[in-house]
Amino acid sequence: AQTVTQSQPEMSVQEAETVTLSCTYDTSESDYYLFWYKQPPSRQMILVIRQEAYKQQNATENRFSVNFQKAAKSFSLKISDSQLGDAAMYFCAYRSPNYGGATNKLIFGTGTLLAVQP
Amino acid sequence: EAQVTQNPRYLITVTGKKLTVTCSQNMNHEYMSWYRQDPGLGLRQIYYSMNVEVTDKGDVPEGYKVSRKEKRNFPLILESPSPNQTSLYFCASSSGTYANVLTFGAGSRLTVL
Repeated sequence: AQTVTQSQPEMSVQEAETVTLSCTYDTSESDYYLFWYKQPPSRQMILVIRQEAYKQQNATENRFSVNFQKAAKSFSLKISDSQLGDAAMYFCAYRSPNYGGATNKLIFGTGTLLAVQP
Repeated sequence: EAQVTQNPRYLITVTGKKLTVTCSQNMNHEYMSWYRQDPGLGLRQIYYSMNVEVTDKGDVPEGYKVSRKEKRNFPLILESPSPNQTSLYFCASSSGTYANVLTFGAGSRLTVL
């Protein structure tokens, strides 16, 4: 079974600085998706970024980028120019591809709570 | 606006009193699912549905029931709630395509006394 591990329960960053959140996963599949979700105090789950395992290029969305190391099964999230609004719980998640009877189930890590200091 | 709507957002109930958390999506998505979020455990899937009248257990189905009589609705039923079902619940939906992304509802905070 696939597992997702986030080893940093809490992180802190100064406003305008860069922070990297770690995520590792375990799978025997060669094709899959990886996600980072943000959960602000409103509790809404907001998709930050998505990576397809067969794509070697790291995904980027504005100030958010990932470092995807498939062989190492590592998927870290880098937030550049941190803003106060980035303060939230961040979840890493894994999903198998949609074929062969597989489902759209996301397997989540335990989350990293990010604080942004002004 | 494309969205997943859950109700109620907050609920305090007592052990054994049946309750239903409703979930509705307006995107014509085939796939719908329920997750629960607990501190230190992340989100875990309770039940999912691949289409109308097709449902199956997720990782933590004990104590829950679901039904999918219409494509847009996927209610979560707690027949006899217990305190260990105190949690934050999320409904999510997506299309059935390979590269789809889950759209989450706003969450329902349930407390069972």
